[in-house]
Amino acid sequence: DTGVSQNPRHKITKRGQNVTFRCDPISEHNRLYWYRQTLGQGPEFLTYFQNEAQLEKSRLLSDRFSAERPKGSFSTLEIQRTEQGDSAMYLCASSLVVQGNTIYFGEGSWLTVV
Amino acid sequence: TQLLEQSPQFLSIQEGENLTVYCNSSSVFSSLQWYRQEPGEGPVLLVTVVTGGEVKKLKRLTFQFGDARKDSSLHITAAQPGDTGLYLCAGVRGTYKYIFGTGTRLKVLA
Repeated sequence: DTGVSQNPRHKITKRGQNVTFRCDPISEHNRLYWYRQTLGQGPEFLTYFQNEAQLEKSRLLSDRFSAERPKGSFSTLEIQRTEQGDSAMYLCASSLVVQGNTIYFGEGSWLTVV
Repeated sequence: TQLLEQSPQFLSIQEGENLTVYCNSSSVFSSLQWYRQEPGEGPVLLVTVVTGGEVKKLKRLTFQFGDARKDSSLHITAAQPGDTGLYLCAGVRGTYKYIFGTGTRLKVLA
């Protein structure tokens, strides 16, 4: 296992459709994060899991967004009824507390809503 | 509210020049990370600094964490075109919350 894996890497969808992104963290990393990044900005925190428990959700995560990590391993981020403002790169990251909690990012999933 | 301000936002320099990027905040962080990001890719970790006043070197890159753990700097010596990218600092609040800076976009011209 060489790193955090995200798919799909790119998704183009029509406004109003639902999309789902998957993240496979580094093996044995117990913490998993979702961030959103738009052009010219740094990543913005969306949500955080420790094992299977979702411990924090940002106010950026409207009720159209839902994230799960059912078995404490991979995670999914679903966006329902997509809007053009949802167009961004969605980044997943993972960490292991005993390693100083340094987070390692995946390559990101680009979403374009047309 | 942007808790971490980076400066400059954009920097275009010639190969061989030196540069410094700053990351400033009014908040104290338990640790701070620097990342570099290429277009269309996720951020790649460069370094983590934990102790106030800490200095770490990574080849031509020198990272410093402020004594009060509120700010940090990244100095690049003899920049090369391969250093081109978006440099991001991220401060950790508490045990897990990472707050990212606005980013510094660096372009090194050959």
